[in-house]
Amino acid sequence: KQEVTQIPAALSVPEGENLVLNCSFTDSAIYNLQWFRQDPGKGLTSLLLIQSSQREQTSGRLNASLDKSSGRSTLYIAASQPGDSATYLCAVSDSWGKFQFGAGTQVVVTP
Amino acid sequence: EPEVTQTPSHQVTQMGQEVILRCVPISNHLYFYWYRQILGQKVEFLVSFYNNEISEKSEIFDDQFSVERPDGSNFTLKIRSTKLEDSAMYFCASSEIAQGNTGELFFGEGSRLTVL
Repeated sequence: KQEVTQIPAALSVPEGENLVLNCSFTDSAIYNLQWFRQDPGKGLTSLLLIQSSQREQTSGRLNASLDKSSGRSTLYIAASQPGDSATYLCAVSDSWGKFQFGAGTQVVVTP
Repeated sequence: EPEVTQTPSHQVTQMGQEVILRCVPISNHLYFYWYRQILGQKVEFLVSFYNNEISEKSEIFDDQFSVERPDGSNFTLKIRSTKLEDSAMYFCASSEIAQGNTGELFFGEGSRLTVL
């Protein structure tokens, strides 16, 4: 059974610092890995999707890497801003699109 | 930008009542999903739906739950007789395709269900 773990559970950084969020999964037979952002009481906003054949994806200040063989992904957010405060979720999918989620990392960026 | 829309945003119901949550997936998407998130817990998969039938369901999705695509745009989740433990945020999601494509998942804003 696939298990997704995110470390740390919570993170507080001053504005301008880079953020490093970690995700690990137990079964390397994944199809996609997707990072989401969730604001309190809101839905999930897709940030980056990495297909299993890819090693990384970039979008603006965000960069996500994937090492499928070791079951790890890392989300980097450069030059953090207070608006980046949210919970970040990692999820991995099988070939039919069913996603298994981690518990998330709650990020606070202080001005 | 196309988005997944869900109604209602919040529903309060009495235990034992039937509830229907509604979703309009992104128009060119083919796979539809329901997930739920109990307060403070992980997002959990409930069911996936493709080609007018359930393709996969979790152990949570028992006989009290059903899904339907009554027309070309709506996708509904029905809970026949709600229990206290059904209180959660229910998310609808859709993707263009699961195999052979990106399979990127797009979520709606959620429907918060409170069972009293």
